[in-house]
Amino acid sequence: EAQVTQNPRYLITVTGKKLTVTCSQNMNHEYMSWYRQDPGLGLRQIYYSMNVEVTDKGDVPEGYKVSRKEKRNFPLILESPSPNQTSLYFCASRLEGGWGEQYFGPGTRLTVT
Amino acid sequence: AQTVTQSQPEMSVQEAETVTLSCTYDTSESNYYLFWYKQPPSRQMILVIRQEAYKQQNATENRFSVNFQKAAKSFSLKISDSQLGDTAMYFCAFMKLLRGGGNKLTFGTGTQLKVEL
Repeated sequence: EAQVTQNPRYLITVTGKKLTVTCSQNMNHEYMSWYRQDPGLGLRQIYYSMNVEVTDKGDVPEGYKVSRKEKRNFPLILESPSPNQTSLYFCASRLEGGWGEQYFGPGTRLTVT
Repeated sequence: AQTVTQSQPEMSVQEAETVTLSCTYDTSESNYYLFWYKQPPSRQMILVIRQEAYKQQNATENRFSVNFQKAAKSFSLKISDSQLGDTAMYFCAFMKLLRGGGNKLTFGTGTQLKVEL
């Protein structure tokens, strides 16, 4: 089954404790991205990657890091999480080029206390 | 920068009735795509319908259709014969091509739709 998976689905952590949210897709998509969803703000792009070793900032990259060492994986790293990073996070992937559908993961609910 | 505006934070409709969700956007691009996504309580993002800007014909997917007015930069979603399962947050989104490749998806703030008996 074609899908985007994220882990963990729920995470409660404390300020300053480094964490990684994993994202993996099995569709051989070149393009992957991370979004955060906050009430009243919709989804905002954090980082995106157009292929292996190619990443770039989205609209709200501060406080986040990403890496793309393999085509299928695109982890989101919070080196020192803060309460304002409490949010719902989505990973997404699509084929590069054209206007194909973007496939979303199931979301990760992160709470930073 | 592109902006997408959904001016209705919440809406409700009776089952079997028709409802229209509004979306406007601002861009200087001539070629782009527009999307409506549905997010039910499960939080999964589900593509409902998409529209290519260069196509004048409005997209339709079963009970879902759009009214695309390019000059007015308006992209509303009409849901006919509303069903309880249509209860969800609906996001309008705009996609443009980026210089150097790739494309960028910008979302509106969402409209929470409740279908009532």
